[in-house]
Amino acid sequence: NAGVTQTPKFQVLKTGQSMTLQCAQDMNHNSMYWYRQDPGMGLRLIYYSASEGTTDKGEVPNGYNVSRLNKREFSLRLESAAPSQTSVYFCASVRASGSGAYTQYFGPGTRLTVL
Amino acid sequence: AQSVTQLDSHVSVSEGTPVLLRCNYSSSYSPSLFWYVQHPNKGLQLLLKYTSAATLVKGINGFEAEFKKSETSFHLTKPSAHMSDAAEYFCVVSDPTSGGSYIPTFGRGTSLIVHP
Repeated sequence: NAGVTQTPKFQVLKTGQSMTLQCAQDMNHNSMYWYRQDPGMGLRLIYYSASEGTTDKGEVPNGYNVSRLNKREFSLRLESAAPSQTSVYFCASVRASGSGAYTQYFGPGTRLTVL
Repeated sequence: AQSVTQLDSHVSVSEGTPVLLRCNYSSSYSPSLFWYVQHPNKGLQLLLKYTSAATLVKGINGFEAEFKKSETSFHLTKPSAHMSDAAEYFCVVSDPTSGGSYIPTFGRGTSLIVHP
């Protein structure tokens, strides 16, 4: 049981290049999330997918697109990378219990540098 | 609308002394509240969560937090700090959306420094 996995772990891009960050979970969770983490800012939500086939913008969606490929996989794409997108990116998924309580599980992160 | 404020960006303690990390929240509902820990260059690990059951919540590694509705606070405590507790701590609040999904809001984090 791998939990939430992310690839790659590290990436260096030049301004204007594109790339896709991959995320997969094997816990049969319905909801998945992409966050970015910057020093002193906590984690900010980029996009989320409440269920397979749906995606919604979070707090900081500009410059990003997402695809919920199936229940397991949720990818984040940078079409034209900018230095402001230098950050650590975390994927997460949620298990919700019948009482409405939930637990969010995080991947190990992708450290992206845009030159 | 929900929000969370971690009142200290850094907290410094000596090993063996108590730890207090402060968190205030704002929520339109009866919220779910969480504390996560992040060790250097690692992912996030759930320490504990409050979801409208007991107001004193016990977590892993000896941490606990008390939900105080009147003060809109959810402070994290530990009786005796260990060197291994040095990390970044995040307080998180989440209200349910009308669609039944969960959109957490993270605090900016508190860096816990533990001196020998």
